[in-house]
Amino acid sequence: GENVEQHPSTLSVQEGDSAVIKCTYSDSASNYFPWYKQELGKRPQLIIDIRSNVGEKKDQRIAVTLNKTAKHFSLHITETQPEDSAVYFCAASPGGANSKLTFGKGITLSVRP
Amino acid sequence: DVKVTQSSRYLVKRTGEKVFLECVQDMDHENMFWYRQDPGLGLRLIYFSYDVKMKEKGDIPEGYSVSREKKERFSLILESASTNQTSMYLCASSLRGRTNGYTFGSGTRLTVV
Repeated sequence: GENVEQHPSTLSVQEGDSAVIKCTYSDSASNYFPWYKQELGKRPQLIIDIRSNVGEKKDQRIAVTLNKTAKHFSLHITETQPEDSAVYFCAASPGGANSKLTFGKGITLSVRP
Repeated sequence: DVKVTQSSRYLVKRTGEKVFLECVQDMDHENMFWYRQDPGLGLRLIYFSYDVKMKEKGDIPEGYSVSREKKERFSLILESASTNQTSMYLCASSLRGRTNGYTFGSGTRLTVV
């Protein structure tokens, strides 16, 4: 089955700096890669996703890049703000009608004011 | 606003009790999932269902069962609760078809004493 790994497990940045969170996956059939943000005490929420037919996707201060050859994808957050502090999960799925997501273990991002 | 609702936010149960965790979604989603979330282990899939009365084992099904008698409701059952089942339980749903992200419930924090 699919195995998704996230690196590093914690990340601390200064407010205004950029943060990059990396994930690797094992199943070459995976073609859908979402990112979830979980604030303390709240539910995980989808913040951005990418499908295998594109290499990069942006939404305001966040972007995701995908390298299918190397089987890794990354979340980029620019101009970080304290409210970006949260746990971020990456996931992968082979797609199709009934595909399930396999999640990484999560990374705790802390943005220092 | 679309919702996935979990019936209890916090539960405390005794070892050996039979425990029911309920999840209801109002989005007419076909797919429903149960995950448990533990520090350092991320989100691990317990069971999932693609349709009414259908169920499939996830990565850690031991000690759990599920029921899906109606499309909108997916129940997780701990047949005989044990202390190692103390965890945060998250329900999620998604639309069948092209792989989409999940919508998560707010979670149930279960403590087994």
